[in-house]
Amino acid sequence: NAGVMQNPRHLVRRRGQEARLRCSPMKGHSHVYWYRQLPEEGLKFMVYLQKENIIDESGMPKERFSAEFPKEGPSILRIQQVVRGDSAAYFCASSPGLANEQYFGPGTRLTVT
Amino acid sequence: ELKVEQNPLFLSMQEEKNYTIYCNYSTTSDRLYWYRQDPGKSLESLFVLLSNGAVKQEGRLMASLDTKARLSTLHITAAVHDLSATYFCAVDEDNDMRFGAGTRLTVKP
Repeated sequence: NAGVMQNPRHLVRRRGQEARLRCSPMKGHSHVYWYRQLPEEGLKFMVYLQKENIIDESGMPKERFSAEFPKEGPSILRIQQVVRGDSAAYFCASSPGLANEQYFGPGTRLTVT
Repeated sequence: ELKVEQNPLFLSMQEEKNYTIYCNYSTTSDRLYWYRQDPGKSLESLFVLLSNGAVKQEGRLMASLDTKARLSTLHITAAVHDLSATYFCAVDEDNDMRFGAGTRLTVKP
């Protein structure tokens, strides 16, 4: 059973471009969490999704950021018109249910130039 | 390869007692993080330790980092029921972050 997979591992975008980050949860997991880690800070929660539903997006910036977890395929975190401040590591985690342990992916390091 | 080991994995404490959770890691990183997770909730950042000898305290929790020993500790003082949760440490080296398996803490009256 493969672990949580994220791709790409490293992503470089110029200011104004779009960034798409993918997260494939572990097999059988229907809950996905996205976190952002700014340099030398701890993880900060962004959004919690179940298949086809956003459950909690209280940590998402109001503009330019969106997330989805379709019925088929990976969860996508999309950042439009990236700015330098978006440079960070983005981690996703998956779990099989609401009260279950989360398993983390290796993260995507986004650099905005 | 960066490895992070936490112990114990399960901890049942009585209220008002003290205890320590240990986080050992395999590299020379000086960036270590502690998180709390309540069932069904997202991770909550507790402490960020960025240098050898760093010590941080918040309420009944205190975290320290010894990079020479490759060890961080999370000390719980006079536990209360509200501290029941799972605690994770994570180590960041060269843009590679690894989490410990977590310590599931239960505080009983």
